[in-house]
Amino acid sequence: EAQVTQNPRYLITVTGKKLTVTCSQNMNHEYMSWYRQDPGLGLRQIYYSMNVEVTDKGDVPEGYKVSRKEKRNFPLILESPSPNQTSLYFCASRNRGALAGLSSYNEQFFGPGTRLTVL
Amino acid sequence: GNSVTQMEGPVTLSEEAFLTINCTYTATGYPSLFWYVQYPGEGLQLLLKATKADDKGSNKGFEATYRKETTSFHLEKGSVQVSDSAVYFCALSERGNQFYFGTGTSLTVIP
Repeated sequence: EAQVTQNPRYLITVTGKKLTVTCSQNMNHEYMSWYRQDPGLGLRQIYYSMNVEVTDKGDVPEGYKVSRKEKRNFPLILESPSPNQTSLYFCASRNRGALAGLSSYNEQFFGPGTRLTVL
Repeated sequence: GNSVTQMEGPVTLSEEAFLTINCTYTATGYPSLFWYVQYPGEGLQLLLKATKADDKGSNKGFEATYRKETTSFHLEKGSVQVSDSAVYFCALSERGNQFYFGTGTSLTVIP
């Protein structure tokens, strides 16, 4: 089954304790992205990756790191989590598309979400 | 910069009522526009999209037309069902790498 998986689904941690949220897709997609969803703010993009070893900042990258060493995996790293990073996190992936500028035609597939609480 | 503004919810409708959820956008270029739907406890799913002015996206009875002159992409459905209860997000992307989402509109349809 084609899917995007995230782990863990729920996490409660304390300020300053490093954590990693994993994201994996089995669709051979070039593009992957992380979002956070907060009440009244909708989804905001944290980081995205156009391909292996190619990552770039989204709207709200502060306090987060990512890496893309393999095509299928795109982990989100919080080196020193703070309470303002309490949120619902979504990973997404899609095909990049054959032509630049047309890649947004392709549907993004979202993971089920990771609910993170930082105390 | 780029941004999306959606009408605030929550919206409550009776089954078979007409639905409109307003969405306007600000973009520096010529974005593609999307509506995503999020059912309780799930990730977002693409509902429909439009990639250029005057395009109409449609899916599952929902429609939205890309209006460049009014920078709008309003979502409509002629007759909603209880199963349409969800949160709806309007979004844009200019080159397919950065995406900008609205704040979401919660819809509840009552029998």
